[in-house]
Amino acid sequence: KAGVTQTPRYLIKTRGQQVTLSCSPISGHRSVSWYQQTPGQGLQFLFEYFSETQRNKGNFPGRFSGRQFSNSRSEMNVSTLELGDSALYLCASSTGVGAYNEQFFGPGTRLTVL
Amino acid sequence: DQQVKQNSPSLSVQEGRISILNCDYTNSMFDYFLWYKKYPAEGPTFLISISSIKDKNEDGRFTVFLNKSAKHLSLHIVPSQPGDSAVYFCAANEVAGSNYKLTFGKGTLLTVNP
Repeated sequence: KAGVTQTPRYLIKTRGQQVTLSCSPISGHRSVSWYQQTPGQGLQFLFEYFSETQRNKGNFPGRFSGRQFSNSRSEMNVSTLELGDSALYLCASSTGVGAYNEQFFGPGTRLTVL
Repeated sequence: DQQVKQNSPSLSVQEGRISILNCDYTNSMFDYFLWYKKYPAEGPTFLISISSIKDKNEDGRFTVFLNKSAKHLSLHIVPSQPGDSAVYFCAANEVAGSNYKLTFGKGTLLTVNP
């Protein structure tokens, strides 16, 4: 069974631009969660989607948004990029909502904002 | 306010010995705890979990201990192997109504020397 895939793997943007990251979950998984990993803050939960609906949301500004499609693929969008948005963005898929369901992570998208 | 703390950024042990990774938390509402392992250029992978109603969970070489009164979690790896060298994250889950929040520590880099 193929794992979680994320595209692109690396991205360089400049301040003020916007970016869209993509995540394809494991076949059959309907939940997709997004995380931001930075050296200073560690791993932080952004949001979770299940059956095209956002089910949970972390403490990030509205510049961070996401959506999920009917095939469970998910996209994350960051508008008006700031230098502090430079991070590794990870998505994880699972069969159900919540931490009690094992999450399988993708390799991440490394975003650099210049 | 860091609710999940991994106070040791790094740990080095000899192959065959025990590795003990520690995690402290402040939120008494956490009901479920998880450990993840992360290799460079890969996403985290789930290792082991424990419910707050238990004090120990074992899976092969990995054992997680939970001391609720001390708000302390530890992961024991016995015997340690060079392939265990990775960053280890502890995470804690809090349920609030229909939402949940997963909070991660900043990770501990374990190096197992042959």
